Amino acid sequence: DIVMTQSPDSLAVSLGERATINCKSSQSVLYSSDNKNYLAWYQQKPGQPPKLLIYWASTRESGVPDRFSGSGSGTDFTLTISSLQAADVAVYYCQQNYNTPKTFGQGTKVEIK
Amino acid sequence: EVQLVESGGGLVQPGGSLRLSCAASGFTFSTYWMTWVRQAPGKGLEWAATIKEDGSEKYHVDSVKGRFTISRDNAKNSLYLQMNSLRAEDTAVYYCARDAMRGGDMDVWGKGTTVSV
Repeated sequence: DIVMTQSPDSLAVSLGERATINCKSSQSVLYSSDNKNYLAWYQQKPGQPPKLLIYWASTRESGVPDRFSGSGSGTDFTLTISSLQAADVAVYYCQQNYNTPKTFGQGTKVEIK
Repeated sequence: EVQLVESGGGLVQPGGSLRLSCAASGFTFSTYWMTWVRQAPGKGLEWAATIKEDGSEKYHVDSVKGRFTISRDNAKNSLYLQMNSLRAEDTAVYYCARDAMRGGDMDVWGKGTTVSV
């Protein structure tokens, strides 16, 4: 199974500042046939289901604000919130969909400092 | 509107069974892979099972293999999770999710149904 490890477990950022979350996979999730990284990011607010933010490591889902961006390839990935808003307080999860089981990271809780 | 609505959760004794359902609407259900994801109280997300569009391929996480079975009825636009031999560690909110056509990320989620064992 591919193990997904996020860091940090939590972070507190001032409004308008940058938040950066890292995600590392135990093996590459880059699919050679299409050169795409099968890595997604989700946002989950309290009491709500997860919401897809980013797929293929760096492609924003329709309707997601452009302050959210994803980067990385192979085994190392980053989710960046360029200017944190109050609405961004949530837990963020990375997930590999390269193969089954489609494992998630443990989550990173983002709060306002 | 694209929508997924789960039902069937509840309180069950260890060793008991439950069948979760997920009603899909607003899209052509039969053309999408579908997934169940669960979340234990205060914990992270865990992928539980995925099924191909026509039901010919099914995948389950090791911890539920032999106890849970994912299935679907495309004529009824419905996804199911049959859960047998339930354990305390199966206590969770169970989400139904649609797999995006481009790959295994999940682009539509239901609100979830709670299972307590």
